[in-house]
Amino acid sequence: AQSVTQLDSHVSVSEGTPVLLRCNYSSSYSPSLFWYVQHPNKGLQLLLKYTSAATLVKGINGFEAEFKKSETSFHLTKPSAHMSDAAEYFCVVSAFTGGGNKLTFGTGTQLKVEL
Amino acid sequence: NAGVTQTPKFQVLKTGQSMTLQCAQDMNHEYMSWYRQDPGMGLRLIHYSVGAGITDQGEVPNGYNVSRSTTEDFPLRLLSAAPSQTSVYFCASSYSSGAGRETQYFGPGTRLLVL
Repeated sequence: AQSVTQLDSHVSVSEGTPVLLRCNYSSSYSPSLFWYVQHPNKGLQLLLKYTSAATLVKGINGFEAEFKKSETSFHLTKPSAHMSDAAEYFCVVSAFTGGGNKLTFGTGTQLKVEL
Repeated sequence: NAGVTQTPKFQVLKTGQSMTLQCAQDMNHEYMSWYRQDPGMGLRLIHYSVGAGITDQGEVPNGYNVSRSTTEDFPLRLLSAAPSQTSVYFCASSYSSGAGRETQYFGPGTRLLVL
């Protein structure tokens, strides 16, 4: 069994300040972890993914995430928020279960960026 | 490449009507899936396919049918629409089921309202 918990449903930051979106997971298998972003009325787009290589993963648009096995966390960060970062972010855990890819999505974190 | 395309973008149905949501990809991906997105619940897997002629149920399959006659197309059929099926539907594809490590490519979504 696997699950994902996104600890904040809404996060609000000022432009130019750091962003932290928190994600905790559980998985019976060695998981892969993803962050996807969804802008309003759009499909989801991959930001970054962890697949058991380097624990610090760099993604697009200046985002990065660190896989911490001891804390079962995969928090998403960005040093300086931009207005265009306003969107909904989904943490996803994935494991191969014999029947194929099983993705489990978190419930999402809505990021608001204010001037 | 057009990527993953979905039609229609928006649909209104009456309870009991049937319809097919279309999904196509031009990336020669083996793995395709359908999700529904409801507020506060993330994305939930409806059905998936690991290749032409092979489909399986996901987390919430009731009321939906799928088939996969070609690599490119993966239509989702609502047999008798119910208000509980009001949602946003996303189709996704990836190169393979890939031990859970593959990036998913999402379509732009279909917004369905069942009255």
